[in-house]
Amino acid sequence: GQNIDQPTEMTATEGAIVQINCTYQTSGFNGLFWYQQHAGEAPTFLSYNVLDGLEEKGRFSSFLSRSKGYSYLLLKELQMKDSASYLCAVMDSNYQLIWGAGTKLIIKP
Amino acid sequence: SQTIHQWPATLVQPVGSPLSLECTVEGTSNPNLYWYRQAAGRGLQLLFYSVGIGQISSEVPQNLSASRPQDRQFILSSKKLLLSDSGFYLCAWSVGDRDTGELFFGEGSRLTVL
Repeated sequence: GQNIDQPTEMTATEGAIVQINCTYQTSGFNGLFWYQQHAGEAPTFLSYNVLDGLEEKGRFSSFLSRSKGYSYLLLKELQMKDSASYLCAVMDSNYQLIWGAGTKLIIKP
Repeated sequence: SQTIHQWPATLVQPVGSPLSLECTVEGTSNPNLYWYRQAAGRGLQLLFYSVGIGQISSEVPQNLSASRPQDRQFILSSKKLLLSDSGFYLCAWSVGDRDTGELFFGEGSRLTVL
């Protein structure tokens, strides 16, 4: 079966750095997405990786290793507004998105 | 610019009552359209998707149905709601090609079935 694993919850301090990991097992691979979802709101797109390596976008970076079935989202200079759930999703060979359950990130002052 | 709207935002319905959630997209043509359900502590579950008017694919068997009467309109319906239908429903669209698959979500509709 297809599976996306990511930690349920993480806690970090304002101003620090946090890394959220995602491992996947899917039938085929056509890219990996990270979305941010604030409580009670819809998810919003953060990043897309289809090739191995690091993609940097401001304070957020996303890394992919296809051979290891592994990705991480790196958040730097954490702000209180970064408190949210972070969803990892993989597009399989049928171009369908398989979603992880999300990682709830709690930022403390 | 493209926008997506869904309504109602919040809904409380008794078991056995009907349901209609509506979603419209503006600023784009022939989008792929999706209905997802999100339960607490679980990943987004794809319910239906559509690549064109009248073309609906169902991902899970259930008492829900979807229709796409117009290019940019997607409706989620039920004739008789079950308690298990409670959840956060999200409509989404993507560009009609498969290169990136980035999804743009509506505001969400929280359904409580009592």
